[in-house]
Amino acid sequence: KAGVTQTPRYLIKTRGQQVTLSCSPISGHRSVSWYQQTPGQGLQFLFEYFSETQRNKGNFPGRFSGRQFSNSRSEMNVSTLELGDSALYLCASSLGSTSSTDTQYFGPGTRLTVL
Amino acid sequence: DAKTTQPPSMDCAEGRAANLPCNHSTISGNEYVYWYRQIHSQGPQYIIHGLKNNETNEMASLIITEDRKSSTLILPHATLRDTAVYYCIVRAYSSSNTGKLIFGQGTTLQVKP
Repeated sequence: KAGVTQTPRYLIKTRGQQVTLSCSPISGHRSVSWYQQTPGQGLQFLFEYFSETQRNKGNFPGRFSGRQFSNSRSEMNVSTLELGDSALYLCASSLGSTSSTDTQYFGPGTRLTVL
Repeated sequence: DAKTTQPPSMDCAEGRAANLPCNHSTISGNEYVYWYRQIHSQGPQYIIHGLKNNETNEMASLIITEDRKSSTLILPHATLRDTAVYYCIVRAYSSSNTGKLIFGQGTTLQVKP
């Protein structure tokens, strides 16, 4: 089975621009979670999508948004980019069940640099 | 989800067993212990999880104490490729934490030749 894929792998943007990142989950997985990783804050949860609906969200401003398509692929969008948005953005997929053993598998990440 | 405490860093000689401890003294009865690792600038990699029994897979073994307040991840024969940050996470499903893992600072394991 193919793993979680993310595109693009690297991205350079300037302040004020917007960006869209894409995540393709493992086949059969219906849940996609997004995380931001920075040296100062570590790995932080952004939001989770399941069956095209946002099911959970973390404490990030509204500039961060996402969506999920019927094939479970997900995109996240960051509008009005700030320098502090420079980070590694990770997505993880899982079956999305209500079991405590529902395991997340991560993609390689998208490295976003905001200049 | 319960808080975990891990040493910030550890060294291990190549070929020797690496034993990574994790303290989770406030763990609840239905919370599982998960381990992930992250090799520099890559996505975290799932290693293993368990509830109360010891678990083993092709990557590692997980030893959970009888009171479940601590656990140890064992890499039986560490190689240079095992150099990474190792995260111990405890979680149980609830409607308020779906899809969410809470990562601490982890343990940076340096495997040395």
